[in-house]
Amino acid sequence: DTEVTQTPKHLVMGMTNKKSLKCEQHMGHRAMYWYKQKAKKPPELMFVYSYEKLSINESVPSRFSPECPNSSLLNLHLHALQPEDSALYLCASSLGLAGRTDTQYFGPGTRLTVL
Amino acid sequence: GENVEQHPSTLSVQEGDSAVIKCTYSDSASNYFPWYKQELGKRPQLIIDIRSNVGEKKDQRIAVTLNKTAKHFSLHITETQPEDSAVYFCAASSNTGGFKTIFGAGTRLFVKA
Repeated sequence: DTEVTQTPKHLVMGMTNKKSLKCEQHMGHRAMYWYKQKAKKPPELMFVYSYEKLSINESVPSRFSPECPNSSLLNLHLHALQPEDSALYLCASSLGLAGRTDTQYFGPGTRLTVL
Repeated sequence: GENVEQHPSTLSVQEGDSAVIKCTYSDSASNYFPWYKQELGKRPQLIIDIRSNVGEKKDQRIAVTLNKTAKHFSLHITETQPEDSAVYFCAASSNTGGFKTIFGAGTRLFVKA
């Protein structure tokens, strides 16, 4: 399996809802990432997990809560989001070898709309 | 903070012509420079990459050059085809303090048939 998968593909939620985005890879990668991408903008790094530990949090608001239950799975829990949080949320993974940066492979994304 | 500047923001070429996109990075710790192509509604896909210990790399019609001293790197596409039309992002990655990747703002390439 050489793909990163994400569910759901689309999500519409209200500002009081709680939802979760899921990401999965079976390439043996040990680094996993969440990005936010607004229309006509580049992906913007949110979180990085390395060996299931959070290594980077780019000052993301606490209404976004990441979780890495094991080396293949990455979740993003959403609560009390704002309409401006509507975006494409991309998951990515890379080999994650210590001391080496490598290609990140992206999932297809979850298109989130907050009403 | 770390920054990657990318130019031009839009590029229109005739089919068969060459296209060049340029990027500049600020973080001296950056050591890996991937280029991604993103078609409308799709995920970013790696098209070529280069490491800081290499000055140039080529893969068929695509080449990337890196000037580490000047902190510049460029993407060159030769013999462009309509299917090359997409948004191209450069990026700079480092592994100090975690695997951090900063993307350029993107270049929208139009290849006219």
